[in-house]
Amino acid sequence: EPEVTQTPSHQVTQMGQEVILRCVPISNHLYFYWYRQILGQKVEFLVSFYNNEISEKSEIFDDQFSVERPDGSNFTLKIRSTKLEDSAMYFCATQTQTGLNSPLHFGNGTRLTVT
Amino acid sequence: AQKITQTQPGMFVQEKEAVTLDCTYDTSDPSYGLFWYKQPSSGEMIFLIYQGSYDQQNATEGRYSLNFQKARKSANLVISASQLGDSAMYFCAMREGNTGNQFYFGTGTSLTVIP
Repeated sequence: EPEVTQTPSHQVTQMGQEVILRCVPISNHLYFYWYRQILGQKVEFLVSFYNNEISEKSEIFDDQFSVERPDGSNFTLKIRSTKLEDSAMYFCATQTQTGLNSPLHFGNGTRLTVT
Repeated sequence: AQKITQTQPGMFVQEKEAVTLDCTYDTSDPSYGLFWYKQPSSGEMIFLIYQGSYDQQNATEGRYSLNFQKARKSANLVISASQLGDSAMYFCAMREGNTGNQFYFGTGTSLTVIP
């Protein structure tokens, strides 16, 4: 079964450094998302992306964050200057369409540790 | 107010027994979808089952069923004949029809199946 692929699985970085998290969506999916899960807490929406632009973003997704799909396959999340509180599991998710009954298909996540 | 509430941080069930994981939701949108996801210790998020607000019958998928009580705004997950591999975190999530694409997740329930 096709799946969403995320790299790296674990990233350790120092505070203030830039990180780029990568996602390869399922090929016929058109809607892309980033969610994050701080350890032991609930999964939180960051941003949705469709047709090469952001369609929706949360309060968490401030100017430190950006997303792009540079080559038509990879979907990336960049954190410009990481903070300790950015430490979390970051999930990429995709959908074929945005009908109410369309579930999110998640990748395995990237665990980001900011030291 | 929380969109999704899961009041059971941890649950235990004997192998082969059934277990119910509670989920209540809050929305004024008449059109919404409810989802359950499983997150094993490996971290990935696995879609289990979907219930639409207009569905007349409770959703079922194999050993998973959803006890949907619309008037009470609850969507409890029932796992029948529990297996050791069911030990995981379980998240309830909701998507509203008229407020964009984001999914709202609960804080999760940790299920442990005892042999």
